[in-house]
Amino acid sequence: EPEVTQTPSHQVTQMGQEVILRCVPISNHLYFYWYRQILGQKVEFLVSFYNNEISEKSEIFDDQFSVERPDGSNFTLKIRSTKLEDSAMYFCASNGQGLPDQPQHFGDGTRLSIL
Amino acid sequence: QKEVEQDPGPLSVPEGAIVSLNCTYSNSAFQYFMWYRQYSRKGPELLMYTYSSGNKEDGRFTAQVDKSSKYISLFIRDSQPSDSATYLCAMSKDAGKSTFGDGTTLTVKP
Repeated sequence: EPEVTQTPSHQVTQMGQEVILRCVPISNHLYFYWYRQILGQKVEFLVSFYNNEISEKSEIFDDQFSVERPDGSNFTLKIRSTKLEDSAMYFCASNGQGLPDQPQHFGDGTRLSIL
Repeated sequence: QKEVEQDPGPLSVPEGAIVSLNCTYSNSAFQYFMWYRQYSRKGPELLMYTYSSGNKEDGRFTAQVDKSSKYISLFIRDSQPSDSATYLCAMSKDAGKSTFGDGTTLTVKP
């Protein structure tokens, strides 16, 4: 079964540094998402991306965050200047057209630790 | 008021029991209802997906949606120790951005 893959599985970064999290969505999917989950808290929506542009973003997704689809397979989340509170699991998800039979599928996440 | 309310538990049941997990929500625009299972340090794994109201069954799992009450349920029959995980409900207006509950931690004891 096709799956969403994310790299790295764990990223440790100094506060103030830039970090790029990478995702390879399922190949025929058109909609891409990033979510985050702070330890012990619920999964929170960050941003959705379709047709090479952001379609929706949450208030968490401020100017420090950006997303990009640099080629036909990768989808990246960049945090420009990391803060301690950015420490969390970051999940990428994808789905097809917005039909009833196209739910979002998630990767196993990148655990981001800011020191 | 949270958009999606889910009792975090923890919930502990003996093997073979029927498990009932529930979520309530306040946004009447939600049309897509999902249940995910999440193991420690893993991503959410889709279990059930329902559009609008009604029931859906897949093996030992049954999902129910009651839009009039803004209430969804997941039933697990003949629960197994391997079902021990955190169960997340999630909802969406248009199969796009999903809003998650807090998750219910389930332990099935042999």
